[in-house]
Amino acid sequence: DSGVTQTPKHLITATGQRVTLRCSPRSGDLSVYWYQQSLDQGLQFLIQYYNGEERAKGNILERFSAQQFPDLHSELNLSSLELGDSALYFCASSVAEGMGSPLHFGNGTRLTVT
Amino acid sequence: QQQVKQSPQSLIVQKGGISIINCAYENTAFDYFPWYQQFPGKGPALLIAIRPDVSEKKEGRFTISFNKSAKQFSLHIMDSQPGDSATYFCAARNQAGTALIFGKGTTLSVSS
Repeated sequence: DSGVTQTPKHLITATGQRVTLRCSPRSGDLSVYWYQQSLDQGLQFLIQYYNGEERAKGNILERFSAQQFPDLHSELNLSSLELGDSALYFCASSVAEGMGSPLHFGNGTRLTVT
Repeated sequence: QQQVKQSPQSLIVQKGGISIINCAYENTAFDYFPWYQQFPGKGPALLIAIRPDVSEKKEGRFTISFNKSAKQFSLHIMDSQPGDSATYFCAARNQAGTALIFGKGTTLSVSS
């Protein structure tokens, strides 16, 4: 068990809808990362937060947004959902930033858009 | 935005054999190269990592070989076991310490 908790585990919704994915990092970890995993694209970095502040952006669509709250949990909001948004969404956390802080992944949220 | 290229996409190895997965990168600012292992229904888990000032790192049956001039690194799994059957991802991170960039993964199947 990595200590990173993601909820819900599964989510099925319709096109055009909005969903929120939640992540609780490991105790003591300040940095949170969101990744999208699909069969053809592998693990794609979306966005990173460190102690409540946005630190880096990857391939995150404008329809997606995220935030990290004072208690360090994070939420990823996906809106105007399309069929192509169906994927596994992973949250990872690390103590700090940099090479000395390995990423610990949760078990993901599987999103299905119908 | 594929900055880390991983091959092969899938690999079948006999029990007791050696599994070899290769990765190549382009960005010379990358300074940390981990490998992650993922089982079905689970998130990726750190397996082993290397920095470019070292050419090889071994942990048990797992070895990373690193060739800085060729911008390539590989994972060797010695004495492969059925329990090693999983998807393996190489990754890289630059000195700025931002997020890991992952390869597309290799699905390893070890037959008994």
